[in-house]
Amino acid sequence: NAGVMQNPRHLVRRRGQEARLRCSPMKGHSHVYWYRQLPEEGLKFMVYLQKENIIDESGMPKERFSAEFPKEGPSILRIQQVVRGDSAAYFCASSPAQAAGANVLTFGAGSRLTVL
Amino acid sequence: GENVEQHPSTLSVQEGDSAVIKCTYSDSASNYFPWYKQELGKRPQLIIDIRSNVGEKKDQRIAVTLNKTAKHFSLHITETQPEDSAVYFCAARLNYGQNFVFGPGTRLSVLP
Repeated sequence: NAGVMQNPRHLVRRRGQEARLRCSPMKGHSHVYWYRQLPEEGLKFMVYLQKENIIDESGMPKERFSAEFPKEGPSILRIQQVVRGDSAAYFCASSPAQAAGANVLTFGAGSRLTVL
Repeated sequence: GENVEQHPSTLSVQEGDSAVIKCTYSDSASNYFPWYKQELGKRPQLIIDIRSNVGEKKDQRIAVTLNKTAKHFSLHITETQPEDSAVYFCAARLNYGQNFVFGPGTRLSVLP
């Protein structure tokens, strides 16, 4: 089992560019969560998705940020017109759909975004 | 929504001593409480969890206790070792279908 796969691991963008971060959940997991972590800070919830459905996006900034989890392929966190304040580590996590074990949250290695 | 507080923010202990980290949550309906360990530059990893129908759970040197009435839960690490040095996060979840809310983290340093 390859675990939760995130790519790219490191991404450098200039202000105003777009950043796309991808996450493939663990095999058998159908729920995906995105968290943002600023240096020396905690894990801030952004969005919770299952395939083709956003369950909770209460942590997403109203502008420039969007997320999707299509029927086929990885979940994508998209940040448009990046600003320096977007520099952070973005962690994806996944959990199973079934009630048994559905609480187990497994994290990917993270994508570190640097905005110049 | 749920809010999780965590104390202390930093903790230094001598190798071999015990460490205790405490968290409080706001929503009495939360029923699942995991603890994650994050080493520098790495992903958070689950180390222990507890459900609301249990008061205490132990796994070798780590244990978690839950007080539902007071809405707080604690992580206990005994016989600390230098490799226990990391940031520890507590979390709470209302139920299946809800997101996980994390505390701000505790940076534990185990001094040799």
